[in-house]
Amino acid sequence: DIQMTQSPSSVSASVGDRVTITCRAGQGVSSWLAWYQQKPGKAPKLLIYATSSLQSGVPSRFSGSGSGTDFTLTISTLQPEDFATYYCQQGNSFPLTFGGGTKVDIK
Amino acid sequence: QITLKESGPTLVKPTQTLTLTCTFSGFSLTTTGVGVGWIRQPPGKALEWLALIYWDDDRRYSPSLKNRLTITKDTSKSQVVLTMTIMDPVDTATYYCAHRRLDTAMDTFDYWGQGTLVTVSS
Repeated sequence: DIQMTQSPSSVSASVGDRVTITCRAGQGVSSWLAWYQQKPGKAPKLLIYATSSLQSGVPSRFSGSGSGTDFTLTISTLQPEDFATYYCQQGNSFPLTFGGGTKVDIK
Repeated sequence: QITLKESGPTLVKPTQTLTLTCTFSGFSLTTTGVGVGWIRQPPGKALEWLALIYWDDDRRYSPSLKNRLTITKDTSKSQVVLTMTIMDPVDTATYYCAHRRLDTAMDTFDYWGQGTLVTVSS
């Protein structure tokens, strides 16, 4: 199994801040990395797939980058609705695996 | 518009078999590239992928649970069924079904059901 490690596990930020979340894969996953946002009591929402492709309807303040084993999700200007938990997921090989999550909360 | 909805028991006893049904609309599991997966999330914990079935009936399972899982599809009913045997309290989680995103070579999920909380307790 490919282990996915996210850092930090939590981050406190203010509206307007730039937030960066990192995901590291235990082995190379090419560009097959996705990011999800999850709010309490809700299903995950796909934000980015294939490292940097923005899912339809997702604001452009979200962006992704990386390749191989190291990936980044950036929120350029944090909005109130962005306070949530974020997960990465590799789709390079089975079993599909998720990171442990990064909670973005209000500073 | 793609929608998915999970249904099944909210409470099962240890050692029992869990059967969950995902009823979907807005797509067909006979269309090339389409897939439906199951993902679970224990309370307060991270997401865990369980299984995925494709339009061509190819099936993939989490190796750690493979001996306990079966995923099937009924295209006429627009349903995907997941069965998990020998349920244990550690299997208590919210179970989601999700639509595999098309137009990409990677397996990822763009539409999700609302999830159903399954508690395993005697």
